[in-house]
Amino acid sequence: GIQVEQSPPDLILQEGANSTLRCNFSDSVNNLQWFHQNPWGQLINLFYIPSGTKQNGRLSATTVATERYSLLYISSSQTTDSGVYFCAGRPTSGYSTLTFGKGTMLLVSP
Amino acid sequence: EAQVTQNPRYLITVTGKKLTVTCSQNMNHEYMSWYRQDPGLGLRQIYYSMNVEVTDKGDVPEGYKVSRKEKRNFPLILESPSPNQTSLYFCASSSGTEAFFGQGTRLTVV
Repeated sequence: GIQVEQSPPDLILQEGANSTLRCNFSDSVNNLQWFHQNPWGQLINLFYIPSGTKQNGRLSATTVATERYSLLYISSSQTTDSGVYFCAGRPTSGYSTLTFGKGTMLLVSP
Repeated sequence: EAQVTQNPRYLITVTGKKLTVTCSQNMNHEYMSWYRQDPGLGLRQIYYSMNVEVTDKGDVPEGYKVSRKEKRNFPLILESPSPNQTSLYFCASSSGTEAFFGQGTRLTVV
């Protein structure tokens, strides 16, 4: 199966700071997604982004499928952004497991 | 509202006592799957289903059963739970592209 590497593993920010999270895939993927796991454990869909760039408020994401990576940008971070951010994707051949990275744990302090 | 609903949200049980975690989706998705999340191991797929009566093993199927008798439901069955099945479980559904996750079920087996 594919390998998904996320960086950095941990990140501490002051409120108002910007950050970039990265996701690298070992092989071509379809259905690339970014999730936020909140402190209650819920997985929240942030972006479905197999290629290109999308923006949603203070968050945006870019996927460069040909180079097998995706970036998640958080601008003007808030304490409610704290939690774990996961990226996940499926191999391009057929339907298969949605493989997750290990996540980036983000703590935004006031 | 489009959603994936899992029940129960929290469950404490004893070793060997059969249990079922239910999962239902209202999006008419063909694909459904179960994941478990453990510290340091991330999210791993247990079983998935590509349509009614079609199921297949994921990465960690041992000790679990599933069934897909109706398109909207995909229950996870633990016939004889053991303490190593203590985990956070997620059900997901997809039309083949973006996946949507339930709220999670926190299971403790004592």
